[in-house]
Order: sequence, then structure tokens, then C-alpha cells
Amino acid sequence: RKEVEQDPGPFNVPEGATVAFNCTYSNSASQSFFWYRQDCRKEPKLLMSVYSSGNEDGRFTAQLNRASQYISLLIRDSKLSDSATYLCVVNRAGGYQKVTFGTGTKLQVIP
Amino acid sequence: GAVVSQHPSWVICKSGTSVKIECRSLDFQATTMFWYRQFPKQSLMLMATSNEGSKATYEQGVEKDKFLINHASLTLSTLTVTSAHPEDSSFYICSARRGVTEKLFFGSGTQLSVL
Repeated sequence: RKEVEQDPGPFNVPEGATVAFNCTYSNSASQSFFWYRQDCRKEPKLLMSVYSSGNEDGRFTAQLNRASQYISLLIRDSKLSDSATYLCVVNRAGGYQKVTFGTGTKLQVIP
Repeated sequence: GAVVSQHPSWVICKSGTSVKIECRSLDFQATTMFWYRQFPKQSLMLMATSNEGSKATYEQGVEKDKFLINHASLTLSTLTVTSAHPEDSSFYICSARRGVTEKLFFGSGTQLSVL
């Protein structure tokens, strides 16, 4: 089983739709969680950190469920500019500090 | 926000030559830097984790003698692709973070093409 798993998609949604992505992680020692966005042939850019209490930034809402070991990202009112690959990132501290990326979920917003 | 500078942005070289890629954290001290490789239409693949002043930790399947990583200071890490071959052609990206649970800041990537 992969340490961090995401549905690769693609998710094709119409403009204005609401779309949700999930990401599961296997290591219960994971400490911090992030969603990144990557456009084609560009570096990933931080979209938002994910907090236990859940957090919102405009049209984006992130949630963490430690008991079930998954994080989610909800995008409301999708825009064409939201088309990208969304990467789930999990930090695990310890003797071997490790950052693990999910494989990414591709989103295509259609006019 | 924090800035990570990566150079060069792209490089074309002949097979058998070595290529050095630099990654600098411009306005913070990076305790850890990471190097990734990404082939077209594939996800980021972690190659190695580099902590300042110690040897890099390589992921399984990554040849440490081929991909030399040096993290001599808290603001600079280098990746040298030695004796590059066409199959090494890829997009290489670095990232850096201040502390264990802090977010990653990415360089803009280096597109390597080996002829």
C-alpha cells in the first residue's frame, strides 16, 4: 500500500460545479498536511495547509480526519483557472524526517 | 513568502557530461532540502532528502553515485547528474523547508535534456 494515496482522476467538471478530492495516508505518525497545486511543467505551489479543525480559504475548504487518516479538499464554484493537478502532501517527523507526495489528482474545469 | 531559487531553468547537454543544479533558499535557512524528478504526465518522485552537514538520504532505486547531492550550507543544496544519459532527461525540482512540520517551498525547476 502506498504511503499517500490519491485518485489520479481526471475529474472533468463544468464551471461553477463543486468538486471534492480525498487523500488517504497510512502512517499514523504523520504530523502535518498540505494541499499543493501544480500546473503543467511548473513547480508545485502551496494551496493551503490542513488543520485538524478544518480550514477555509475563499472557495477552498480543507479538512483532516486523523481517526480515518484522510484529508480532503473541496472546491466550490469551480473556475477554468482551477484546472491543474492537486497534490496531497504529508509530513512525518522522526529520526528520518520524510515528506511524502500523493500522485496528484488532475482537475479539468470545462466551460 | 519564502523564496527558493533554482538554477539553471533548463539545460541541454551531450551524453556523458555532468550537470550541476543549484537550489538556494533566499530568505530563510533550510534545515532540509528535497530533490525530485518528474517525467512528462507523471507525478513528482522524491529522489533524496538532504539535511545540512550530513549525507543525503536517497530513495530506493536512486543511484547515489549518479546523483550527487551536496548540502554544504543552510541555504544551498546542489544536485549533480554525473555522466548524464538520454534517459536522465527529466524535470528536476528542489524544495526546502525551515522545520520538520513546516510547508515546503519549491524552486522553479530545471528541465534537463540529454542528447
